[in-house]
Amino acid sequence: AQSVTQLDSHVSVSEGTPVLLRCNYSSSYSPSLFWYVQHPNKGLQLLLKYTSAATLVKGINGFEAEFKKSETSFHLTKPSAHMSDAAEYFCVVRGTGGFKTIFGAGTRLFVKA
Amino acid sequence: NAGVTQTPKFRVLKTGQSMTLLCAQDMNHEYMYWYRQDPGMGLRLIHYSVGEGTTAKGEVPDGYNVSRLKKQNFLLGLESAAPSQTSVYFCASSYEGRHGELFFGEGSRLTVL
Repeated sequence: AQSVTQLDSHVSVSEGTPVLLRCNYSSSYSPSLFWYVQHPNKGLQLLLKYTSAATLVKGINGFEAEFKKSETSFHLTKPSAHMSDAAEYFCVVRGTGGFKTIFGAGTRLFVKA
Repeated sequence: NAGVTQTPKFRVLKTGQSMTLLCAQDMNHEYMYWYRQDPGMGLRLIHYSVGEGTTAKGEVPDGYNVSRLKKQNFLLGLESAAPSQTSVYFCASSYEGRHGELFFGEGSRLTVL
């Protein structure tokens, strides 16, 4: 079965410190992987995507993610958190068969001043 | 470039009333989707469309109907609203149906009393 697991429901960091949001997936196919961000009362905005090219993917606002097939992981990182990064982040998998999209449960990122 | 636009953004209904949510995209995307987002439930697919004139059921289609008469528009209808349909509804579109990134609207918050 195809699935996405975001390993932390909440992550709290101090401004200026690194961010790590963890995502593991399970798929029998060669999936496409995405990270989206959702600020309060807003829609989901694409941060970055992996579609079988380079395994290290750079996105917007200084975020990047590394696709590790052996570990079936796609963790999101940022070297230095900013207050504006406080939001909910979703790991998303597509290409698992048909038109199905699998969303992770989300990780809420808190950034302390 | 407006992207994906949803109207209305907020609506309060009484049980049994009907309403239609409109989604419009200006990216010439073939694929369009309606999701609902509920606390603790993540995003769930209601209906989707793979092209003008086509619709298909998603995970939670009961109580909803959709139409795609024009390529750029995807309508979600509630014929007889129930309190269980209180939710935030998101429309999304994609250029490619299996691996392509989803572009989301800002959401429509519906409350059914």
